[in-house]
Amino acid sequence: GAGVSQSPRYKVAKRGQDVALRCDPISGHVSLFWYQQALGQGPEFLTYFQNEAQLDKSGLPSDRFFAERPEGSVSTLKIQRTQQEDSAVYLCASSPRGDQPQHFGDGTRLSIL
Amino acid sequence: GESVGLHLPTLSVQEGDNSIINCAYSNSASDYFIWYKQESGKGPQFIIDIRSNMDKRQGQRVTVLLNKTVKHLSLQIAATQPGDSAVYFCAENGSSNTGKLIFGQGTTLQVKP
Repeated sequence: GAGVSQSPRYKVAKRGQDVALRCDPISGHVSLFWYQQALGQGPEFLTYFQNEAQLDKSGLPSDRFFAERPEGSVSTLKIQRTQQEDSAVYLCASSPRGDQPQHFGDGTRLSIL
Repeated sequence: GESVGLHLPTLSVQEGDNSIINCAYSNSASDYFIWYKQESGKGPQFIIDIRSNMDKRQGQRVTVLLNKTVKHLSLQIAATQPGDSAVYFCAENGSSNTGKLIFGQGTTLQVKP
């Protein structure tokens, strides 16, 4: 379909491993957002891209979290040296521009053992 | 049926009744608000949005009301159907010009057949 696509849908990793989560936004959408959603909570903002520029990374919880969008389309969220508290659903959203509705993917459920 | 959002996280209604889901937002500078529906295992799905220069907006079977004086947002669903069962989140854009959203806690809507 033409929606936001995220992969993998599920990821299990051992504590200390690095993981990479991928987001394919809706074609042509300038703005891309990453959110983290803990069980039973609303999504919490992590970072924002306008095209390839990362304009806001104020929500990244530590320097173990890194995101990129090198060509202004696909984005990758990388978590280094994963910890158990990193277990959550990671959601990606895109919009034509920042002040328009964001459309979400179905997320990657990350479990750290 | 009616909920107060953050204080009553579950709303149970009979099929065919109207539902009202409430949300108190935090930032008086917020000028854009969105309601999302999230089903289990899925990402948030856009329902309806409203900007601060309006106090009411209608969609198909849904109406959003905005009261800026008391910083209150509500979502009304007419003739609630079993397919409406989900968690509903309100979100505001805060004072950010990046478009990042701040989500409320969420209200679970249960529709009894």
